[in-house]
Amino acid sequence: SQKIEQNSEALNIQEGKTATLTCNYTNYSPAYLQWYRQDPGRGPVFLLLIRENEKEKRKERLKVTFDTTLKQSLFHITASQPADSATYLCALVTGANNLFFGTGTRLTVIP
Amino acid sequence: NAGVTQTPKFRVLKTGQSMTLLCAQDMNHEYMYWYRQDPGMGLRLIHYSVGEGTTAKGEVPDGYNVSRLKKQNFLLGLESAAPSQTSVYFCASSSPGGTTDTQYFGPGTRLTVL
Repeated sequence: SQKIEQNSEALNIQEGKTATLTCNYTNYSPAYLQWYRQDPGRGPVFLLLIRENEKEKRKERLKVTFDTTLKQSLFHITASQPADSATYLCALVTGANNLFFGTGTRLTVIP
Repeated sequence: NAGVTQTPKFRVLKTGQSMTLLCAQDMNHEYMYWYRQDPGMGLRLIHYSVGEGTTAKGEVPDGYNVSRLKKQNFLLGLESAAPSQTSVYFCASSSPGGTTDTQYFGPGTRLTVL
């Protein structure tokens, strides 16, 4: 069966450290992978998109990697801040209008 | 620019009642989507539309109907609500290119069916 798994439901890290979130999938062949941020009581907000032929993408303090052999994406936040505390969702795009979300990882950055 | 708005924000229904959720976007996006979000399940696509007058089923369409009479609006209807439809509903929109591009989400509607 198809699965998208994001590492632990919750991740706590100290301010200033690098947070690493994992998205693993099985039985999908995504063309793209997206990462979203969701704050409590709000809708998801798009952060980054990475294509299957890209190994790495960066945006300010964010970095995403995509390994189609391992079927895994890693999402890094460097120099983390308390304001980075939120739930982060990965989403696999397998074709036009086929978007599948993981359950999310709730990140807490401790001051 | 309001982006994507949803009405209402909260609603409580009794089993068997009907209701319509309204989604509006002011970004002139062609594509619109309805998702539901449940604990431990992630976001799941209910229905989507690739243009005015067109709709299509997503992953979990049963018990829901949709209409896209105007480009800026996408309505989600529950004809006979069931407790299993208790969830948070999100609307999203995107420009041509569909889900390969950014999806913009509304703030959500929290629905409880008793």
